[in-house]
Amino acid sequence: AAGVIQSPRHLIKEKRETATLKCYPIPRHDTVYWYQQGPGQDPQFLISFYEKMQSDKGSIPDRFSAQQFSDYHSELNMSSLELGDSALYFCASSLKRGSEQYFGPGTRLTVT
Amino acid sequence: AQTVTQSQPEMSVQEAETVTLSCTYDTSESDYYLFWYKQPPSRQMILVIRQEAYKQQNATENRFSVNFQKAAKSFSLKISDSQLGDAAMYFCAYRSASLGIQGAQKLVFGQGTRLTINP
Repeated sequence: AAGVIQSPRHLIKEKRETATLKCYPIPRHDTVYWYQQGPGQDPQFLISFYEKMQSDKGSIPDRFSAQQFSDYHSELNMSSLELGDSALYFCASSLKRGSEQYFGPGTRLTVT
Repeated sequence: AQTVTQSQPEMSVQEAETVTLSCTYDTSESDYYLFWYKQPPSRQMILVIRQEAYKQQNATENRFSVNFQKAAKSFSLKISDSQLGDAAMYFCAYRSASLGIQGAQKLVFGQGTRLTINP
C-alpha cells in the first residue's frame, strides 16, 4: 500500500539558512499534519491542513510557514534556521479530519 | 490542555513473555481517541492500536491489546508473546474528537517508553 512520502530524508543546513521540507500524502488523503521530534523527545504538533486550508496550528515558530497545494502535497518552509531546529520532522496524513494519522518516514534536519 | 504521561522510561521483557506499558492522561473532554504508536530504530512512527473513548470494549490487534479505564484515565498496552521485532520506543497519544476546537486535531504524545526484548 502507498505510504506518506517525505523528501528529502536528510538535510544539512547552516545557521540562518532556509530549508524546505516536502510531504506527499497517501493518495485520497486530504489532511496533512506536521510534527517536530527533537532528540530524545516526543513529537510535537506544528500545523495541519485540510482541503488546502490551514486547519489547526500548534507551537510553530513564526520563522516557519507551510502550505498545502492543489495536489494535496504540503511544504514546510523554515527560515533563519537555528541550532535548536535540528530535529526529525514528520508529516502525517489522514483520509479526512478525525481519521487515523499515518506518518511518513520523516526528514532529519541537522543545523550546523 | 490535555496531557499524556508515560511513567516508565524503559521496560524490558524476555522473548515470548508478556509485558504491559502504562499510560495515563488528563482531559476534561468526554469524547476522544487514544493511540499507541511504535517507533523502532528506523524512527518510523507506526500505529499499533487505537481506542475510541465511547467504546467500553478494549481494542485488540493480534498480540497487542489495551486496558482502557476511562474513569481512571488510564490506557495501558499489553504485548503478548513478545518478539525481538517488538523492540522499539512506544508512544501513547491522545486526540480530541471535537474537530471544531483549536488544537483538537493534533496528537498529544506521552514521553515514550523504550522497550527492550531479551532473547
